[in-house]
Amino acid sequence: ETGVTQTPRHLVMGMTNKKSLKCEQHLGHNAMYWYKQSAKKPLELMFVYSLEERVENNSVPSRFSPECPNSSHLFLHLHTLQPEDSALYLCASSQDLTSGRTDTQYFGPGTRLTVL
Amino acid sequence: EDQVTQSPEALRLQEGESSSLNCSYTVSGLRGLFWYRQDPGKGPEFLFTLYSAGEEKEKERLKATLTKKESFLHITAPKPEDSATYLCAVRGSNYKLTFGKGTLLTVNP
Repeated sequence: ETGVTQTPRHLVMGMTNKKSLKCEQHLGHNAMYWYKQSAKKPLELMFVYSLEERVENNSVPSRFSPECPNSSHLFLHLHTLQPEDSALYLCASSQDLTSGRTDTQYFGPGTRLTVL
Repeated sequence: EDQVTQSPEALRLQEGESSSLNCSYTVSGLRGLFWYRQDPGKGPEFLFTLYSAGEEKEKERLKATLTKKESFLHITAPKPEDSATYLCAVRGSNYKLTFGKGTLLTVNP
């Protein structure tokens, strides 16, 4: 595997289900990100991790719970979601978090989430 | 607050018909302007980073330019496989990227 991978690619869940999204980066990067992409809206930053420490929680509801066990893996645990949470969830990574010429973010293919 | 506005929202071209996409931005201390390409149902694919006004970068039929207020993505003699949504993002004084809504480009054969 190369780049940033995400599983599953598609997920359908009911409002009472609990599920998790997984992201893995094979680039040796130190920072990882979760974004939400909804139709007709810009990408929304949800969470940021740097060297496994959370540095950003962008006013995201508690029904979304991130986990970063090491610098290569990132999870997004989902529970009691609402239909408006249906979206494409994207994971990204960058070499470093601080601004500089190593800050380009590389994205995974995304998980298309549908909440019924 | 950083802002990015992309225009047009959608652009339809004939194969070989060159054109430009616009990205206007306001940011406190630009640390980078990024262009991505996104195909339907997939994640954004990195194209270019520009760091200072006057900088230009090229890749195949694409050329990105940067001024103090906007960036252009010029597409020369596009092909149907260039059809995608093109996203622009800026990075200011912190690590966050602010994205525009994108331009949906369709190139007809």
